[in-house]
Amino acid sequence: AQSVAQPEDQVNVAEGNPLTVKCTYSVSGNPYLFWYVQYPNRGLQFLLKYITGDNLVKGSYGFEAEFNKSQTSFHLKKPSALVSDSALYFCAVRALNSNSGYALNFGKGTSLLVTP
Amino acid sequence: DTEVTQTPKHLVMGMTNKKSLKCEQHMGHRAMYWYKQKAKKPPELMFVYSYEKLSINESVPSRFSPECPNSSLLNLHLHALQPEDSALYLCASSQDQGDTYNSPLHFGNGTRLTVT
Repeated sequence: AQSVAQPEDQVNVAEGNPLTVKCTYSVSGNPYLFWYVQYPNRGLQFLLKYITGDNLVKGSYGFEAEFNKSQTSFHLKKPSALVSDSALYFCAVRALNSNSGYALNFGKGTSLLVTP
Repeated sequence: DTEVTQTPKHLVMGMTNKKSLKCEQHMGHRAMYWYKQKAKKPPELMFVYSYEKLSINESVPSRFSPECPNSSLLNLHLHALQPEDSALYLCASSQDQGDTYNSPLHFGNGTRLTVT
């Protein structure tokens, strides 16, 4: 089964410091990996994806993610955190659904808190 | 602002009521999704429509009944719900279900449902 794991329930970082939100994956075949962000009382917003190619993927709002095949990881990073980055972050993997077609399997989510 | 519109934003209903959630997108997407999300948890896939046909039903109880009247609209009809069905219901769309790796999901802001 295609799955992702987010080992941290919460990440705290001071504004201006670099941030990392961790994600590891377990897939058979080539992984298609995604990061989404959810602000309070909102839907999920797409940040970035890895399909193939460069291991460093750049996305929205200054976020980037590093695909590491040997460590089966896809960590989300940002060089300098903003208070407005505080939100819930989900890693996801495309999976072939047992019924029919493809869908996304989400990790449990990591709450990011950036303090002034 | 999101390009997927969900109405209503909030809904309170009794266990004997019948209500409907509505979702609309005008991006020309051919796949539409219903997800259920409990607080601080990842979204759980309920249904997927591909080209207006139901392609995935994740063993959802029959008190939830999806409908896709046309390629832009997706409804979720609710009847005889239980208090544990209280959650945020998210609609999403993508260009094509089979092409989710090139076409990320676009989420609406959800309907917060409370069953009393």
